[in-house]
Amino acid sequence: KAGVTQTPRYLIKTRGQQVTLSCSPISGHRSVSWYQQTPGQGLQFLFEYFSETQRNKGNFPGRFSGRQFSNSRSEMNVSTLELGDSALYLCASSYAGVNTEAFFGQGTRLTVV
Amino acid sequence: KNEVEQSPQNLTAQEGEFITINCSYSVGISALHWLQQHPGGGIVSLFMLSSGKKKHGRLIATINIQEKHSSLHITASHPRDSAVYICAVRSGSGGSNYKLTFGKGTLLTVNP
Repeated sequence: KAGVTQTPRYLIKTRGQQVTLSCSPISGHRSVSWYQQTPGQGLQFLFEYFSETQRNKGNFPGRFSGRQFSNSRSEMNVSTLELGDSALYLCASSYAGVNTEAFFGQGTRLTVV
Repeated sequence: KNEVEQSPQNLTAQEGEFITINCSYSVGISALHWLQQHPGGGIVSLFMLSSGKKKHGRLIATINIQEKHSSLHITASHPRDSAVYICAVRSGSGGSNYKLTFGKGTLLTVNP
């Protein structure tokens, strides 16, 4: 059974640009959650999608958005990038949401210069 | 004060030692997760607990809801257990009010 796949693994962007990250969940999983990890703040919850609907959202500005497609694949978009957006972005999939076991991807390391 | 506090921040042990990592939280929760992160970023979910105790191989996780405290134990530690261990709690109720909060992590190094 294939795991959670995140693409790309590494990305370098310039301040002001926008970026789209992709997450393909485990087959059959309908919930995808996104997280940001930085050395200073640690892991922080961004949002959760379930059956193409955003179900939960963390405390991030509106520049951070996402969506989920009918095949459960999810994308996360960050517009008007800032230096502080440099981080490891992780997604996790689960069958029915955060009270069931979550499986994490390897992450996308975003560097904003 | 962070809602989720882990201790210790760093832990160095010799192979074979018994390890305990602690997690205290200050909010009501519906579940607590223990995660393992190896260098390079990959995260593995070890346990999800809402009460009692769970065991998987050499790993044991316990939670005391009344005391708002959880522990992760590793018996007969091995160098391959070296990783960051992260505690995460889910709080809130209702469709859009759930919140996941993470501890800062415990860096475990097991020396041969």
